[in-house]
Amino acid sequence: DADVTQTPRNRITKTGKRIMLECSQTKGHDRMYWYRQDPGLGLRLIYYSFDVKDINKGEISDGYSVSRQAQAKFSLSLESAIPNQTALYFCATRGTLDTEAFFGQGTRLTVV
Amino acid sequence: AQTVTQSQPEMSVQEAETVTLSCTYDTSENNYYLFWYKQPPSRQMILVIRQEAYKQQNATENRFSVNFQKAAKSFSLKISDSQLGDTAMYFCAFASGGSNYKLTFGKGTLLTVNP
Repeated sequence: DADVTQTPRNRITKTGKRIMLECSQTKGHDRMYWYRQDPGLGLRLIYYSFDVKDINKGEISDGYSVSRQAQAKFSLSLESAIPNQTALYFCATRGTLDTEAFFGQGTRLTVV
Repeated sequence: AQTVTQSQPEMSVQEAETVTLSCTYDTSENNYYLFWYKQPPSRQMILVIRQEAYKQQNATENRFSVNFQKAAKSFSLKISDSQLGDTAMYFCAFASGGSNYKLTFGKGTLLTVNP
């Protein structure tokens, strides 16, 4: 089983719908991140959390919200999805003393 | 804010040959990490190699090596003996070394290895 699990792997939703992307990890890491990948733009940071009570906006947080339900779970919500939120979304985790971050498998979201 | 620039959107190389992917970054910090990630068609993000800024020696992982020029803020990736399985998108990334660790990515270089 993957250490960082994202659900769903793929999702098609309609404009205006609320959708939640979930991330869970078994690595015991305190830090969790949500990134968005668009062709030609690389990965951009949406939100990040350094512990359960700490939530921070990244460079592209507009239109998104997050919830850190537990140390192991970090969810990303689109309250009212729009087509330009069609993208590949990645969750990542990192331990306080780690050099590298660990990524989930990604969620391909299509808003029609 | 840190920025990472990959100036080569696409590159190609013949199998068994060597290719170098370029990356430059901008930061005022002295303590940081640099990474190269590989993303094959499976879309998984795979760490290829990392470099701590305080280390002068260039990192090496099997066929992958970096040329880290701290003063020039340059961090290129060299792939030797290229293999078909190296075909992927490659991302250069920067992270601060302090408690405010966040990865900043370049836009990526699509590498195609031709048989």
